[in-house]
Amino acid sequence: GDSVTQMEGPVTLSEEACLTINCTYTATGYPSLFWYVQYPGEGLQLLLKATKADDKGSNKGFEATYRKETTSFHLEKGSVQVSDSAVYFCALSEGGSEKLVFGKGTKLTVNP
Amino acid sequence: DAGITQSPRHKVTETGTPVTLRCHQTENHRYMYWYRQDPGHGLRLIHYSYGVKDTDKGEVSDGYSVSRSKTEDFLLTLESATSSQTSVYFCAARGAGLPYNEQFFGPGTRLTVL
Repeated sequence: GDSVTQMEGPVTLSEEACLTINCTYTATGYPSLFWYVQYPGEGLQLLLKATKADDKGSNKGFEATYRKETTSFHLEKGSVQVSDSAVYFCALSEGGSEKLVFGKGTKLTVNP
Repeated sequence: DAGITQSPRHKVTETGTPVTLRCHQTENHRYMYWYRQDPGHGLRLIHYSYGVKDTDKGEVSDGYSVSRSKTEDFLLTLESATSSQTSVYFCAARGAGLPYNEQFFGPGTRLTVL
């Protein structure tokens, strides 16, 4: 079945450092891909999405590109802030499915 | 947050007792979902609903039941709670017009079963 694998955390960075969180997926068809973010004590929020190969999703300085050839959707940010500290989840949804499949999450801590 | 609330936000209960968690949404979303979040597992789908009285099982449905008698409310019931059901439970909702499964999440309910 479909699955999502993302890099183990936790990840600790200093403010203004570059961030990459790796995400790869396994799917039978052509899924849509998502990054969700969970700030401390809150529910998940959609951060960005991409619906087809080579699409780039972007939001709040974060970017991720849908790479069909490597089945990847890595999350990147050029300069992180303390306020980016959160848990990040990669997820996919097959076309026509009502369900999201999530990775296990990566906790990011950004220190001043 | 698409007007999604969950109640209670925190609950401590004993093994063997029934527990009902409520999810309420104000945006008339057609689809609603219950997930549990556990360390090392991410979010796993328990049950979901695609309309009033229409529900289906997710990947971890054993020990849980759901009901949806109104569009705005989706209830999750643990008939006889066990310690393995200690978790954080999230409700989510999605409108029929939204593509690509963009779900909106509630704030979560932390359940502890002693």
